[in-house]
Amino acid sequence: AQRVTQPEKLLSVFKGAPVELKCNYSYSGSPELFWYVQYSRQRLQLLLRHISRESIKGFTADLNKGETSFHLKKPFAQEEDSAMYYCALSGWGDQGGKLIFGQGTELSVKP
Amino acid sequence: NAGVTQTPKFRILKIGQSMTLQCTQDMNHNYMYWYRQDPGMGLKLIYYSVGAGITDKGEVPNGYNVSRSTTEDFPLRLELAAPSQTSVYFCASTKSLAGGSTGELFFGEGSRLTVL
Repeated sequence: AQRVTQPEKLLSVFKGAPVELKCNYSYSGSPELFWYVQYSRQRLQLLLRHISRESIKGFTADLNKGETSFHLKKPFAQEEDSAMYYCALSGWGDQGGKLIFGQGTELSVKP
Repeated sequence: NAGVTQTPKFRILKIGQSMTLQCTQDMNHNYMYWYRQDPGMGLKLIYYSVGAGITDKGEVPNGYNVSRSTTEDFPLRLELAAPSQTSVYFCASTKSLAGGSTGELFFGEGSRLTVL
């Protein structure tokens, strides 16, 4: 079964501390992985995708096929990083480009 | 561009009533989606469409219907509302590419529906 699991509902850190939001997936084919973010009073939006291998707002994520994980990391958290983060999966070439979302992790960065 | 626009933002329904959530996008995207989000849960796909005249069921389609008569519009119809349909509904769209999509979904602001 296709599934995305984010084990932490809430992650609270202090400003300047490292952050790691966990994401594990289950997919039988070749997956594409994404991180989406929803800031307060804003729409859900794409943060980054594994295929781009880029850093966005200081965040990076590496696809580990052996561990079926796609954890989101940032070395020094900022208060403006506080938001809901969703890991999502799509099958490569999947008809309709449908995304399967995890349950979400709320990141709270304290001053 | 307005992007993806959903209406209404809030609605309270009585059990058994029907309603339509409207969704329109002005980005000429082929793919459109309806998701629902229950408290503490991720987004679950209700229906999706790969183009005008084509719709297909997602993970949780029961109790809903959709249509796609134009590229821009993708309304979601709730027939005989039930308390289990109390949720936040999100419409989204994306550009299709050969072999799939970009993976970048553009979301509406959401519609909060309560069924009492």
